Amino acid sequence: GESVGLHLPTLSVQEGDNSIINCAYSNSASDYFIWYKQESGKGPQFIIDIRSNMDKRQGQRVTVLLNKTVKHLSLQIAATQPGDSAVYFCAENTGGFKTIFGAGTRLFVKA
Amino acid sequence: EAGVAQSPRYKIIEKRQSVAFWCNPISGHATLYWYQQILGQGPKLLIQFQNNGVVDDSQLPKDRFSAERLKGVDSTLKIQPAKLEDSAVYLCASSLSSVTYGYTFGSGTRLTVV
Repeated sequence: GESVGLHLPTLSVQEGDNSIINCAYSNSASDYFIWYKQESGKGPQFIIDIRSNMDKRQGQRVTVLLNKTVKHLSLQIAATQPGDSAVYFCAENTGGFKTIFGAGTRLFVKA
Repeated sequence: EAGVAQSPRYKIIEKRQSVAFWCNPISGHATLYWYQQILGQGPKLLIQFQNNGVVDDSQLPKDRFSAERLKGVDSTLKIQPAKLEDSAVYLCASSLSSVTYGYTFGSGTRLTVV
């Protein structure tokens, strides 16, 4: 398939290990954050979100952590699987409708 | 439910030519977005519609890009004339409303300008 991005930061993990993808956001007024997964040749797919009044939220195999003090967001994937290989984007929203995407991180899962 | 449909899937044109992309959002989704994704970057919002009205087009290069959403359903994005730097994937997304932050994206149209 076609590549989403060739020069993105890359994380390589062994199948079964946990993955942690980090993101620094820019606007201290942002109040809503989203993680998207983008597979080659596809559009971004919603994974999990978190509001600024929370510091942790869990989904199925995924956890998002928010540290507003240092404007940092992380996505933790438990027991990483080959199907998790993709580019992951964090996105921030500032009290309105405009969602701003970060540059993305490419996750490689080694079997 | 059916997803966001986009066509064509790929397009190759010469610079200074025109091109149009089509998007059919999820049924019932009032808000429609067009994003531009340059290789190696995150998607950048070009324009947002609420029904058939424009909510935000602040990052749309209006000298060459135009978009419309007649009847508040399907939308088209046009580039005329295209430049080399317009080579990108053009993504359409929709959501129930402008306060529903989780979007559903289509697979995009990959445009190559040569």
